[in-house]
Amino acid sequence: AQSVTQPDIHITVSEGASLELRCNYSYGATPYLFWYVQSPGQGLQLLLKYFSGDTLVQGIKGFEAEFKRSQSSFNLRKPSVHWSDAAEYFCAVGDTNFGNEKLTFGTGTRLTIIP
Amino acid sequence: DTGVSQDPRHKITKRGQNVTFRCDPISEHNRLYWYRQTLGQGPEFLTYFQNEAQLEKSRLLSDRFSAERPKGSFSTLEIQRTEQGDSAMYLCASSSEGTGEETQYFGPGTRLLVL
Repeated sequence: AQSVTQPDIHITVSEGASLELRCNYSYGATPYLFWYVQSPGQGLQLLLKYFSGDTLVQGIKGFEAEFKRSQSSFNLRKPSVHWSDAAEYFCAVGDTNFGNEKLTFGTGTRLTIIP
Repeated sequence: DTGVSQDPRHKITKRGQNVTFRCDPISEHNRLYWYRQTLGQGPEFLTYFQNEAQLEKSRLLSDRFSAERPKGSFSTLEIQRTEQGDSAMYLCASSSEGTGEETQYFGPGTRLLVL
């Protein structure tokens, strides 16, 4: 069965500093990978996705992620964070055998931005 | 279309009562999904529909949970005889099937508190 691990429960970053959120997945084939962001009390907003092709994908709000098959990782990065980036970030893997009906999420990383 | 909508946004009920939540997907999307998210966790897949057909329901948490999508448009999720452990955020998502690279778009969620 597929699974996702987000090793960092909580990360604190200074505004303007760079950010990297880690995501490791377990899946038997090439996965579909996603990063979503959730503000307090809200639903999930898609930041970016990887299906195939270029392993470095660009998303909204200046985020990017890199798929590394050898490390089973899909880490999220941003060169300079803004206070509005404070939120919960979820990595997810889709089951390509079933056309992505079943997304499996990690437990999330809570991002705090300090001035 | 402004996205996936859910109603109500918040629900407080007493243990043993039945509750029903509604989800309206993005209008051109034929797939609809339900997830549950408990505190400190990522969303957990419950069930999904393609048009009016419920294609996966084995993940529904118990026989107290049921979902419908009678006309292939909006969907309802019902929980009968609620228990305190049902307290969670219930998220709905929709996608457009056909390309094999579907992306799920989430609504704001319904937060349920069972007293």
